[in-house]
Amino acid sequence: QSVLTQPPSVSAAPGQKVTISCSGSSSNIGNHYVSWYQHLPGTAPKLLIYENDKRPSGIPDRFSGSKSGTSATLGITGLQTGDEGDYYCGAWDRSLTVYVFGTGTEVTVL
Amino acid sequence: EVQLVESGGDFVQPGGSLRLSCVASGFNLNTYWMNWVRQAPGKGLEWVANIKQDGSEKYYVDSVKGRFTTSRDNAKRSVYLQMNNLGVEDTAVYYCASEDHQDWGQGTLVTVSS
Repeated sequence: QSVLTQPPSVSAAPGQKVTISCSGSSSNIGNHYVSWYQHLPGTAPKLLIYENDKRPSGIPDRFSGSKSGTSATLGITGLQTGDEGDYYCGAWDRSLTVYVFGTGTEVTVL
Repeated sequence: EVQLVESGGDFVQPGGSLRLSCVASGFNLNTYWMNWVRQAPGKGLEWVANIKQDGSEKYYVDSVKGRFTTSRDNAKRSVYLQMNNLGVEDTAVYYCASEDHQDWGQGTLVTVSS
């Protein structure tokens, strides 16, 4: 059972925006960087956001990240059918001394 | 171009053992921590273990402590996951990933079943 909680699913029409929340605690999000990952069916997970709000090279600016206290948020604008898949937050947990992934959120483009 | 290629996944009976390998190319493996992450069927991502550049520090998720051991051979550009006393709950696709999970392999499937 993950210590980072995400909504099970979000959905929106093509071109619209979705946000995904990730709720943690002071032992993880509150004191460590948050990353976000995209996991599309049949592919390896892909890093979308690191250090709370930075995008790796090649990740479009439709994807954005933010952090406040013990929560983080991933935003996806200009939603495309190719964005359908599962999204996970992740952070180091200093109490558990493990890296923890969120529970995962399925994004559906209506 | 960074590449991570896992191998070693197989079908094994409960109580059995497997050794997974991850070969890295396109970057200096000896300058990065490395991670193992798994995804069981129908489940989310679960971080399994990581290992420091020189192998002097390793961390494991509780569910594999005492059964799994990660190691590395930087000269061979490889990271390993030795898995002993496997249970059906270890059935998953296992990925190796670079420090900060920037790069991932394609995964290797481990199936534990009688």
